[in-house]
Amino acid sequence: AQTVTQSQPEMSVQEAETVTLSCTYDTSESDYYLFWYKQPPSRQMILVIRQEAYKQQNATENRFSVNFQKAAKSFSLKISDSQLGDAAMYFCAYRISNTGNQFYFGTGTSLTVIP
Amino acid sequence: NAGVTQTPKFQVLKTGQSMTLQCAQDMNHEYMSWYRQDPGMGLRLIHYSVGAGITDQGEVPNGYNVSRSTTEDFPLRLLSAAPSQTSVYFCASSYSTSGRAETQYFGPGTRLLVL
Repeated sequence: AQTVTQSQPEMSVQEAETVTLSCTYDTSESDYYLFWYKQPPSRQMILVIRQEAYKQQNATENRFSVNFQKAAKSFSLKISDSQLGDAAMYFCAYRISNTGNQFYFGTGTSLTVIP
Repeated sequence: NAGVTQTPKFQVLKTGQSMTLQCAQDMNHEYMSWYRQDPGMGLRLIHYSVGAGITDQGEVPNGYNVSRSTTEDFPLRLLSAAPSQTSVYFCASSYSTSGRAETQYFGPGTRLLVL
C-alpha cells in the first residue's frame, strides 16, 4: 500500500518569515511524482509545486521550494517570505508514474499566517 | 475554458436515496478521478478513469459507481446513500504524457450530507 504521512496537523508562521511543512511517503517504486497542493477556505485545490523522483534537483516555484530526500522518502515544502494569502490547508500527494492516474494524499497541514 | 466543473455544490439526501454527482471538464483531458475528503483523512480516491469507456476502482469504491461514456463527463453515482457517505467530493482531471498522468486539476467540490 502507498502511504503519505504529514505529521504536523497545524503550523503557524509570522508574516514574512519562513516555514517548512513535512511530508514522508512509503513506496517500493523508483519512478514516481510528488506534489504539494494548497486548499484555501474556498476548498479549491491548487497545485503549489511538483517534483519528479528521477530529478535530483529540488523543484522551486517563486517563494515555494521543496527538499526532496529520496533515500529518506521525505518531501518537505518550504515557504519563504510568508504572506497572509498563504494561509490554507496544504496536502502532500504522491503518484506512481506507471499507474496512470492513482494519486495518494496525506492528511494535510493547516497553516496559519500571523500578521 | 471553464476547467473542471461539478454540480451540485451542495446536496442533502436521506438514507437509501440515490443520486448522481456530475463532473465535466473542457480541457480534453484523458484522465479523470473522484475523491472524497473527510476531516483528518485527506483525499481518498474513489474511482478513476484513463479514458472514455475505461474505469477502475480506487481506495474506497464501495457504494459508488462510475461510467465514462465521453471524454468530457465522469459522473459519480451513489446507489443507496448512507450517513457514512457524508463528505466533500472532488472531481479531478489531468492530461497524459506517454501514458502517465500529469498534474491534476480539481473541481470546486460537492458537499454531500446524508441524513
